Parts: sequence; C-alpha cells; structure tokens
Amino acid sequence: QQPVQSPQAVILREGEDAVINCSSSKALYSVHWYRQKHGEAPVFLMILLKGGEQKGHEKISASFNEKKQQSSLYLTASQLSYSGTYFCGTEFAGAGSYQLTFGKGTKLSVIP
Amino acid sequence: SQTIHQWPATLVQPVGSPLSLECTVEGTSNPNLYWYRQAAGRGLQLLFYSVGIGQISSEVPQNLSASRPQDRQFILSSKKLLLSDSGFYLCAWRRDRDSPLHFGNGTRLTVT
Repeated sequence: QQPVQSPQAVILREGEDAVINCSSSKALYSVHWYRQKHGEAPVFLMILLKGGEQKGHEKISASFNEKKQQSSLYLTASQLSYSGTYFCGTEFAGAGSYQLTFGKGTKLSVIP
Repeated sequence: SQTIHQWPATLVQPVGSPLSLECTVEGTSNPNLYWYRQAAGRGLQLLFYSVGIGQISSEVPQNLSASRPQDRQFILSSKKLLLSDSGFYLCAWRRDRDSPLHFGNGTRLTVT
C-alpha cells in the first residue's frame, strides 16, 4: 500500500533541475507532496486531486497522471533551500478510505 | 486560523515505562487525525488515524494504542515501552479528504 518513490537520493548543483516520481499499484484519490528538513516536521507543498492535474508553486510543480496512479514533482532552477527529504503521500480511491500513507522519501541535496 | 499542538517536544523514557503523547487541534471541528512515527533516517509510518470521536483505525499491530476522547484531542499511549519504540512521533490533522495534512512539531522519543 505504500507508494514507491524514485530516486532515493539526488545531488544537484544550484540551478539544476530534478524530478521525483511517486507511483502506486492502485488508483489514487489524491497525492500529497511534502518537504522535510532535518529534525523538523514535514511541510506541505501541494495536493493533487484530479487525474491530469498539474500545479505549480514558484519553481516547484507537480503532475498527477490521468490513470491516477502516478505523480511527479518537478524542481526547476534549484536553490540551496530546496535541500531536504521529499515525501509523497497517497490515498487510495474508493469510499471510506482515509488512510494517507507515505513513500520512503527522496533525499535532495543542493550544493553550491 | 487552525493550529495543532503536540507535546512534549522531547522525551526520554526507560524500557518498560508507560507513554502518553497528546495532540490537540484548535480552530476547526471534526478533523481527521493521524499519528505517524519516523525512525531515524527513515520514512513516515502511519500508526493510527481517526475520523471521529471514538473511531480509531490501527495500521500497525504493536504495543501502542490511540484514543480520541474529545473531538480535537488525539492521544498516543503505551503501557510498556520497547527500545524499538524510539523515534520521531508526529501528529497531523486535515479537514477532509480534499485538504492538506498539517503536522504538529513532533515528539522525539528515546527509549533507553
């Protein structure tokens, strides 16, 4: 039931781009993306609810594919502040499902 | 505005001792409430979630339990802690399935 994230880790130089993927074995109701800095609680980035949906937040955006089983997070022109671990959280489609489970995370390191 | 309070921030407990972590949400009613645990350097493991008073769903069988005695209060307990219970415990809430999950600041538990 846990979504699968890839890659597990990535190192970028400032200004480079990255893509983090999140996939599920079943159709999803929603996908959530969070970033966690070391020693802190995760911080919400965005939520995607509809197949085909794309959202942007400054230089961070995400997509949710039509079949609603995969999402990707796009980080463009990375900054040092983007460093952290990124988690996708997923909830299966279907009535009465309130479980929100997270992938194992992708550790992103941005270096000067 | 809504806020989530979680305490204590850090806790050191001996093996075999009891545990009680409390979480409260302000500024909303009938929130969905969640407890997650994060082992050092690992992902977010869903422990319990609740969609209403007295309604608790458990995701992982273990020596932990959860209760929701009031609408905006969520408590995580254990009668006897194990070394493996050490970790970063996060309480979270959301308004409904279409809303983001908001995390508390977490409790760092060390069982010695």
